[in-house]
Amino acid sequence: DSGVTQTPKHLITATGQRVTLRCSPRSGDLSVYWYQQSLDQGLQFLIQYYNGEERAKGNILERFSAQQFPDLHSELNLSSLELGDSALYFCASSLGQGKAGNTIYFGEGSWLTVV
Amino acid sequence: EDQVTQSPEALRLQEGESSSLNCSYTVSGLRGLFWYRQDPGKGPEFLFTLYSAGEEKEKERLKATLTKKESFLHITAPKPEDSATYLCAVRGVEAAGNKLTFGGGTRVLVKP
Repeated sequence: DSGVTQTPKHLITATGQRVTLRCSPRSGDLSVYWYQQSLDQGLQFLIQYYNGEERAKGNILERFSAQQFPDLHSELNLSSLELGDSALYFCASSLGQGKAGNTIYFGEGSWLTVV
Repeated sequence: EDQVTQSPEALRLQEGESSSLNCSYTVSGLRGLFWYRQDPGKGPEFLFTLYSAGEEKEKERLKATLTKKESFLHITAPKPEDSATYLCAVRGVEAAGNKLTFGGGTRVLVKP
């Protein structure tokens, strides 16, 4: 158990709908990351927040948005869903400072199926 | 842009048959190379971080090494429970934030 908690574990939704994925980082970690994993793309970095502020952005679609709240939990919002958005979405966290803060720990993921 | 290539894509081993996985990387400057293990349907589990060429880390039957262009994950006398996908990732000096760039992984199957 990495200490990173993600909900829900599984969800099935229809095209055009909107879903929210939730993540609680490890205790003490200030950085939260979102990654997408699909069979043909591997693990793709979406976005990073550090202590509530956006720190880095990857290949995140405009239909997707995220935020990190004052209690450090994070949410990833996916809207106007398409079949191709079906994937495993991982949240990860790290301390975010110095070498000790460089290690990123992953949650168990949220399986999203768009039908 | 940071790039990572892992080989082979898949590896079938007999129990006890040692082997090595390769991770070739391209970065302008390395801030860290990371190895993770991922079981099907689970999140990646952190194994090692390597920072500079010549560095080695060991954990049970796994040993990771690093050169300026690649890293190897050696699996010594593997057991069936070592079956998993092993992921390599890098963080380059030009990477935004603490972003990791992952390779495609090596699927390892250890047969009893």
